[in-house]
Amino acid sequence: QIVLTQSPAIMSASPGEKVTMTCSASSSVSYMYWYQQKPGSSPRLLIYDTSNLASGVPVRFSGSGSGTSYSLTISRMEAEDAATYYCQQWSSYPPTFGAGTKLELK
Amino acid sequence: DVKLVESGGGLVKPGGSLKLSCAASGFTFSSYTMSWVRQTPEKRLEWVATISSGGSYTYYPDSVKGRFTISRDNAKNTLYLQMSSLKSEDTAMYYCTRDDSLRWDYWGQGTTLTVSS
Repeated sequence: QIVLTQSPAIMSASPGEKVTMTCSASSSVSYMYWYQQKPGSSPRLLIYDTSNLASGVPVRFSGSGSGTSYSLTISRMEAEDAATYYCQQWSSYPPTFGAGTKLELK
Repeated sequence: DVKLVESGGGLVKPGGSLKLSCAASGFTFSSYTMSWVRQTPEKRLEWVATISSGGSYTYYPDSVKGRFTISRDNAKNTLYLQMSSLKSEDTAMYYCTRDDSLRWDYWGQGTTLTVSS
């Protein structure tokens, strides 16, 4: 199965700061998906097909990448963005998730 | 609004069985592939099972194949997960999810399974 490695595991950012986190796949994948999870809540779809925003997701979020290297960027950090972010692939069965990047507010 | 409400979780002894349910509303349930995804106590997310919109096709990872069975009742807008031969490593929060073209676009609030003697 494809292993997704997210980095960093934990990071912090100040309001207004640009945030970038990465997801590396053990084999090439066609697309990447990103989910946001806040404490006590279910995961929420953020990005699908590598770079498309899910419904209701603020435009400060963006996704990019190809092959084995993908990233999620927040253009300007807001307090409500403090959460854990998971990448996920569907290119190869079984679908797999990364271990997550925990983003904290500085 | 799309709503997915799981139920049926609880404490089960190793080797035991349990059936989870997910009541769906706010969309045409019979038109969507549905899945179960679980989150372990370590917060790791794992895909558990997927069923096609009509229920004819089911998919499982090796970790649960032969022990878990996903099913659905489109007349009742309900998704199920029958779990048997439960192990401690099955302990997790189980989420019902809607599949929209390979993206899990809606998630329920989850139901907790604990497997312990």
